[in-house]
Amino acid sequence: KQEVTQIPAALSVPEGENLVLNCSFTDSAIYNLQWFRQDPGKGLTSLLLIQSSQREQTSGRLNASLDKSSGRSTLYIAASQPGDSATYLCAAPGPDSSYKLIFGSGTRLLVRP
Amino acid sequence: KAGVTQTPRYLIKTRGQQVTLSCSPISGHRSVSWYQQTPGQGLQFLFEYFSETQRNKGNFPGRFSGRQFSNSRSEMNVSTLELGDSALYLCASSLADGGMNTGELFFGEGSRLTVL
Repeated sequence: KQEVTQIPAALSVPEGENLVLNCSFTDSAIYNLQWFRQDPGKGLTSLLLIQSSQREQTSGRLNASLDKSSGRSTLYIAASQPGDSATYLCAAPGPDSSYKLIFGSGTRLLVRP
Repeated sequence: KAGVTQTPRYLIKTRGQQVTLSCSPISGHRSVSWYQQTPGQGLQFLFEYFSETQRNKGNFPGRFSGRQFSNSRSEMNVSTLELGDSALYLCASSLADGGMNTGELFFGEGSRLTVL
């Protein structure tokens, strides 16, 4: 059974700080792992998809890494801005099928001006 | 390129009624999946469709059903609504090729259902 855990559950940082969000998963036989952002009352916005053959992916100030052997992924946000305030979710495919994603409970990020 | 479109965005129903939610995927995407999001349970998988076939179903009662049409648009239906069905229902599409790797999922804004 795939379980996805995210820590911390909430994070408050001053603007400009670099930060790391953590995601761990129990079943490492995954095709990929995806990071999302969710603003209050909104849907999910895809941030980064890391294929199992990759170790990291970058998009602007975001960098996500994947270590299948340890069952961990991290999302690094450089030079945080108030507009980065949102809930960040990671999701890994379920072990019985890659047709579904198992989501972590998210990290709620607040970037203070 | 239009994103995933879900309708209606908000709806209020009473217990015992039924509801149908609609999802139009990104053009060219053949895989559509549905998720339920609640404060207590987080995001939970409902079902996934590819080329009109349901390939996987989550652990939800039979009151939850769905289908996909030949143009890849999808609908989900919840019958005999209960208070606990109040949630944000999210639809996602992907450029799946029929294999096991779903690829990148793109979500719509969701349909927020309130059951009174």
